[in-house]
Amino acid sequence: EIVLTQSPGTLSLSPGERATLSCKASQSVTSTFLAWYQQKPGQAPRVLIFGASTRATGVPDRFSGSGSGTDFTLTISRLEPEDFAVYYCQQCDNSPPWTFGQGTRVEIK
Amino acid sequence: QVQLQQWGAGLLKPSETLSLTCAVFGGSLSGNYWTWIRQPPGKGLEWIGEINHSGSIIYNPSLKSRVTISPDTSKNQFSLKLTSVTAADTAVYYCARSRGFFDIWGRGTLVTVSS
Repeated sequence: EIVLTQSPGTLSLSPGERATLSCKASQSVTSTFLAWYQQKPGQAPRVLIFGASTRATGVPDRFSGSGSGTDFTLTISRLEPEDFAVYYCQQCDNSPPWTFGQGTRVEIK
Repeated sequence: QVQLQQWGAGLLKPSETLSLTCAVFGGSLSGNYWTWIRQPPGKGLEWIGEINHSGSIIYNPSLKSRVTISPDTSKNQFSLKLTSVTAADTAVYYCARSRGFFDIWGRGTLVTVSS
């Protein structure tokens, strides 16, 4: 099973600041199979990035994904008020189970 | 625009069987992958299993002995059954479409296991 470890657990930032979220895999993940999600309270997760760097339909360009192998990053260039939420990375490479990171909470400072 | 509507019992006693159904609107069950994911209150996401377009089903090994996911192509639905539930199975259960990532989600069903 591929374990995804996200850091930091909580990121305290102000609107307009840049957020950098990390996702490290316990073994190499093909970039095609790495995705990022945003989840707000009481809502289902929403896919932001798939294939490590491709924005999903309707996702603002302030969200970007990068990385390869075991190290992946989600960057929010300038935080908007609606971006304060929990973010998860997820992989479906190789054999199941497909796994999620434990999440990074982006909170208002 | 594909949408997923899910339903099922929200309160179970220990040892009972959880049963949820997810209906696909605006698209076909066939030719796609469909999955179940759960999230305990205040915690992260756990993938339960999925049906692929060829009809084969894969499960999370940690739940495999208790889980059944089955399609009903005549109704464009798929279902989840989880046997012998305990308090540890209390969670919001989501159905979703899988494309290597999960792009369309149901609204979630809170299932609480309590005596």
